Amino acid sequence: EAGVTQSPTHLIKTRGQQATLRCSPISGHTSVYWYQQALGLGLQFLLWYDEGEERNRGNFPPRFSGRQFPNYSSELNVNALELEDSALYLCATPIVPQGGYGYTFGSGTRLTVV
Amino acid sequence: QKEVEQDPGPLSVPEGAIVSLNCTYSNSAFQYFMWYRQYSRKGPELLMYTYSSGNKEDGRFTAQVDKSSKYISLFIRDSQPSDSATYLCAMSGGGSEKLVFGKGTKLTVNP
Repeated sequence: EAGVTQSPTHLIKTRGQQATLRCSPISGHTSVYWYQQALGLGLQFLLWYDEGEERNRGNFPPRFSGRQFPNYSSELNVNALELEDSALYLCATPIVPQGGYGYTFGSGTRLTVV
Repeated sequence: QKEVEQDPGPLSVPEGAIVSLNCTYSNSAFQYFMWYRQYSRKGPELLMYTYSSGNKEDGRFTAQVDKSSKYISLFIRDSQPSDSATYLCAMSGGGSEKLVFGKGTKLTVNP
């Protein structure tokens, strides 16, 4: 079965623009987690979607938003981009649907804001 | 105090050495403990998973959890250059709770 897929691989945007990142979870998995991995800060939890609903969000401003589609793929939108938004954005799904056993991650989208 | 603390290193060892990686945490509700390996420009991949306290061994890798001390470790025996990567500890209270990660330790194994 295909793993978690993310697109695009790389994205370069100008400060103030909007970025859209996409994720497809493992087939049959309904939960999608988004994490930001900025240099020196480790993986920071951004958003959790399950069954089409936002279930939890991390300590990020409202310009970070997203949605989950009926096929459980997900989109992360970052508005009014700032230089410090430059990071690797990772999408993940639980290895076991009920959780507690870790995640499978995609390869990430590297966002560079210039 | 951060929920999960991990020494970022970098850590450089010769091939064949035993490597010890550690994390401490403050949230006593954590029950599920994981180690991820992340190669440069790739997403993290799950290496080891442990529930509650105890040891778990998988080939050259051993994970230890000491909940009384809020301390987890990953040991790599007979380290290889292919083990060169960043190692991240992660933990959660279980169920649908999000994983909380350490910042990662960058390991280089020199031939």
